[in-house]
Amino acid sequence: AQSVTQLGSHVSVSEGALVLLRCNYSSSVPPYLFWYVQYPNQGLQLLLKYTSAATLVKGINGFEAEFKKSETSFHLTKPSAHMSDAAEYFCAVSDQSFQKLVFGTGTRLLVSP
Amino acid sequence: SQTIHQWPATLVQPVGSPLSLECTVEGTSNPNLYWYRQAAGRGLQLLFYSVGIGQISSEVPQNLSASRPQDRQFILSSKKLLLSDSGFYLCAWNPRGSLSEQFFGPGTRLTVL
Repeated sequence: AQSVTQLGSHVSVSEGALVLLRCNYSSSVPPYLFWYVQYPNQGLQLLLKYTSAATLVKGINGFEAEFKKSETSFHLTKPSAHMSDAAEYFCAVSDQSFQKLVFGTGTRLLVSP
Repeated sequence: SQTIHQWPATLVQPVGSPLSLECTVEGTSNPNLYWYRQAAGRGLQLLFYSVGIGQISSEVPQNLSASRPQDRQFILSSKKLLLSDSGFYLCAWNPRGSLSEQFFGPGTRLTVL
């Protein structure tokens, strides 16, 4: 069975500071990994995905994530936070079928001026 | 381009009343379709998924059911709502047979009183 753990239900940063959201996965098969963002009362939007190509994945809005098999991690980073980045972020894992996503419990990012 | 619609956007229902939430996808054919529920602090839970008309897989035992009467239509139902059915319901799709992420609809906020 696959699972995802997101450390920290809330992360607070100042505008311009580094954003680091943590995600660790468990999978018995090579995983595909995703980061989604959700703004209040909206659906989820894909930020980026890892599908066994490059281990450093660049996404939208300046975000990137690095797949580290030895650490079973897929942490999301952004060099400089913007107020508009305040949202909830979900890490998810899938097997090769892409038919099922298993989500973490989410991390709410708070950005202060 | 493909779009996914959900309605209603918000719904307030009394305990014991029936439920019908609808999801439709435009601009594609033969999609995989998914229903998720999002409860506060618990991330997203996959409820049902469908790989074709009339083909429904249930992921968790519950008070809800799903149907797929047409290729691009996915319906979530209940005969009698419980307080615990409150939450944010998200529909998603992805192309069948391809390595693609899931695309989410705008969601339906259900409050059971």
